[in-house]
Amino acid sequence: QSALTQPAAVSGSPGQSITISCTGSSTDIGAYDHVSWYQQSPGRAPKVIIFGVNHRPSGVSFRFSGSKSGNTAFLTISGLQAEDEAEYFCCSFVGSITWLFGGGTKLTVL
Amino acid sequence: EVQMVESGGGLVEPGTSLTLSCAASGFRFGDYTMHWVRQVPGKGLEWISAINWNSEDVGYADSVRGRFAVYRDNTRNSLYLRMRSLRSDDTAFYYCVKDIKYFFDSWGHGVLVTVTS
Repeated sequence: QSALTQPAAVSGSPGQSITISCTGSSTDIGAYDHVSWYQQSPGRAPKVIIFGVNHRPSGVSFRFSGSKSGNTAFLTISGLQAEDEAEYFCCSFVGSITWLFGGGTKLTVL
Repeated sequence: EVQMVESGGGLVEPGTSLTLSCAASGFRFGDYTMHWVRQVPGKGLEWISAINWNSEDVGYADSVRGRFAVYRDNTRNSLYLRMRSLRSDDTAFYYCVKDIKYFFDSWGHGVLVTVTS
């Protein structure tokens, strides 16, 4: 059970769009449409921002979107704002009541 | 309001045991799969265990399988994690997490477990 692979860090300027990738395999991301993304600010518990690959919970900004292609999932944040600066984690159901997280990506808003 | 409050953390020596508890409120606890997710301070999230609503299905990460056991008491709206043979790399914040349709919609504030001699 190796962690899903995410870039360690990404950055962007206010107003720009960024995309974070999350690469797994045919037995996790490639096998299930149960990919979710979590935003975590320092000292806080994680908060879900995308579930089911591309669904946003109520209250989450439309600027957050998700997608998947093959064994890789993507989180796109459009119209970057300073408040988006946080760490982002992907997660996939991998069958048999088990899940797997990515290593996390630190987003810096320049 | 959905709330999970973890307890039972602390400072323990390698090789010892500890049981974490999670008191849930604000939702029908017995209807949901529940999880434990941990996080080494300053590091990433690691899913470690899940238990379905009636305790018939449980799952563990390879890193804890055989050492940790998850169980629940729906009459007490409580989730537990019994941890044995603790190692230094088990040092982390442990979160109690509620599942809804294969994702984690509510998290506790976490409890710190420190394993050190």
